Amino acid sequence: GQQVMQIPQYQHVQEGEDFTTYCNSSTTLSNIQWYKQRPGGHPVFLIQLVKSGEVKKQKRLTFQFGEAKKNSSLHITATQTTDVGTYFCASSSGNTPLVFGKGTRLSVIA
Amino acid sequence: GAVVSQHPSWVICKSGTSVKIECRSLDFQATTMFWYRQFPKQSLMLMATSNEGSKATYEQGVEKDKFLINHASLTLSTLTVTSAHPEDSSFYICSARKGSNTEAFFGQGTRLTVV
Repeated sequence: GQQVMQIPQYQHVQEGEDFTTYCNSSTTLSNIQWYKQRPGGHPVFLIQLVKSGEVKKQKRLTFQFGEAKKNSSLHITATQTTDVGTYFCASSSGNTPLVFGKGTRLSVIA
Repeated sequence: GAVVSQHPSWVICKSGTSVKIECRSLDFQATTMFWYRQFPKQSLMLMATSNEGSKATYEQGVEKDKFLINHASLTLSTLTVTSAHPEDSSFYICSARKGSNTEAFFGQGTRLTVV
C-alpha cells in the first residue's frame, strides 16, 4: 500500500515566521490530503490535491503536489498562535483506508 | 457538511472489563468506516476497516478477538475493547468517507483509560 514519510517531526517557530512540512512517498500517489489536529482534538480535513504539480492556497496556507506525485508540502506564511497543532499528510487509493504520515507538530511562540 | 459523531468522548474502566465505543455518520450513509488508535504525540495507526454487513478487516498485529468491530447499519459502527488492560489505554478515533478518494470525516475521538 501507499506509505508516506513526513518531516520534520517537530517545528518551533516565532509568531510571524513561516513554516513548512514535507511529505514524501517512494511510490506515485493517487492523491494527497492534509489534516490538522489541534491538541486534544481530532483531525480536521484541510485540502486534497490530485493533479501533478497542483498548487492550492487557503489564506496563509499553500499546498503543493509534486510533478511526479511523490511529494507534497504545506507552507504557512507568517504563523499565528492559532496555527498550533499537528499537521498530517495522508493518502489513499480508491476505497483503501487513509494512510497517515507521522505528522509535524507545530509550536508557535508568541 | 458531513458529521461523524463518536461516543463516549472519554471513559475510565477497570482492568478486565469491556468498553464499547460508538461511531455514527449523522448525515450520510457509510458502508465503510475506519478505526484508528493514537498514542500521545504520535500519528494515527489504522486498526481496522469496518464493513457494513460483513466482517471487519483488521490490520496486521491488531487482535480481532480483543477489538471487536460491528457495523450493523449504514450509519453505525462500534468498537468494543474486550477484557481491557492498562496498555489498551489510548485515544481511539473513527472516520468515514462519503466515497472513494474523498476527504475523511473524523469522530471526536474516545480517550480510554484502563485502571
